[in-house]
Amino acid sequence: DSGVTQTPKHLITATGQRVTLRCSPRSGDLSVYWYQQSLDQGLQFLIQYYNGEERAKGNILERFSAQQFPDLHSELNLSSLELGDSALYFCASSPTGGETQYFGPGTRLLVL
Amino acid sequence: ILNVEQSPQSLHVQEGDSTNFTCSFPSSNFYALHWYRWETAKSPEALFVMTLNGDEKKKGRISATLNTKEGYSYLYIKGSQPEDSATYLCALTMDSNYQLIWGAGTKLIIKP
Repeated sequence: DSGVTQTPKHLITATGQRVTLRCSPRSGDLSVYWYQQSLDQGLQFLIQYYNGEERAKGNILERFSAQQFPDLHSELNLSSLELGDSALYFCASSPTGGETQYFGPGTRLLVL
Repeated sequence: ILNVEQSPQSLHVQEGDSTNFTCSFPSSNFYALHWYRWETAKSPEALFVMTLNGDEKKKGRISATLNTKEGYSYLYIKGSQPEDSATYLCALTMDSNYQLIWGAGTKLIIKP
């Protein structure tokens, strides 16, 4: 158990809908990262937050957004969902940035 | 564009054999090199983080070395076992506050 929690574990929704994925980092970690793993693909970095502020952006679509709250938990919002958004979404946390990242169990999203 | 390259992309190894694979990265402005193991249906798990040229780390039958001058790291697995089957990811940090830059991984399959 890495200490990073993600909810929900599974999510099934329809095209055009909007969903929110939630992540709670390890106690004391200030950085939160979001990753996407599509079928047969590797880890794609989406976005990083540090202590409430956006720090780095990767291959995140404009339909996706994220935020980190004062209690350091983070949410990833996915809107106008398409079939191709079906993937496993991981959250990871680290103390500040650049150190070892600890991954949550992931949220599996299926868009029908 | 910063590139972390891993080779080979996949590897089939007979149980009991030893194996190794490579992570290559640009050697300038190096801060740290990370190795992760990612088993199917699980989340990536940190194995090692190395910062100094010549660093060697070991965990059981798995070890890693680092050459920052020439920009590569090797991961070795001695006496492969079926439970070693996983994708092994390396990731580079260029700065202590920067996000990790991920390689695409080496998928290791151990044949009984």
